[in-house]
Amino acid sequence: DVKVTQSSRYLVKRTGEKVFLECVQDMDHENMFWYRQDPGLGLRLIYFSYDVKMKEKGDIPEGYSVSREKKERFSLILESASTNQTSMYLCASRSTPAKNIQYFGAGTRLSVL
Amino acid sequence: GDSVTQMEGPVTLSEEAFLTINCTYTATGYPSLFWYVQYPGEGLQLLLKATKADDKGSNKGFEATYRKETTSFHLEKGSVQVSDSAVYFCALSPPNAGGTSYGKLTFGQGTILTVHP
Repeated sequence: DVKVTQSSRYLVKRTGEKVFLECVQDMDHENMFWYRQDPGLGLRLIYFSYDVKMKEKGDIPEGYSVSREKKERFSLILESASTNQTSMYLCASRSTPAKNIQYFGAGTRLSVL
Repeated sequence: GDSVTQMEGPVTLSEEAFLTINCTYTATGYPSLFWYVQYPGEGLQLLLKATKADDKGSNKGFEATYRKETTSFHLEKGSVQVSDSAVYFCALSPPNAGGTSYGKLTFGQGTILTVHP
């Protein structure tokens, strides 16, 4: 079974803090994604990475950056957390293009106070 | 750009009732279509998918048919169970999953389903 692990289930941070959300997958997938989930809005793509050290902006990248130094690990960084970044964050990795299935972690619920 | 619209929720049903969750999309060409499900406290998992017109995806008693003429991918189940209570997401990815789209998913807003005994 594919496993996508997010390091924290719950995080509470203060406005202005730098926040790191970590995600690890164990299936040697090339493509990884970060989404945020908000009620009534579904999931929205923040950033994705198609290979080590390669990244592209998604639909809502403002206020976020990412890092992919190793194939299995994809980190989301909030440079200076703000209250409007309080949300559920979901990481995913994608199988081969032929199967085109994304596998999700359990999510990190971030509260910024 | 691409978009997905799901029926408004939440949906509340009694056990063994028939379920339909409507999903329509806007996209160019022939996207791949998906239903993902999120059980309480968990991440999303794939429920079913279809990659071309008239394909029917099915899994765990759920079905959805890719209708190009109506740009729809409605989810149905003939008899729901309490264990089906979850949030259901319709999603699409661009046609060229192996190319520079990298299979990016566009999601609908999600539909909360609650099934009572």
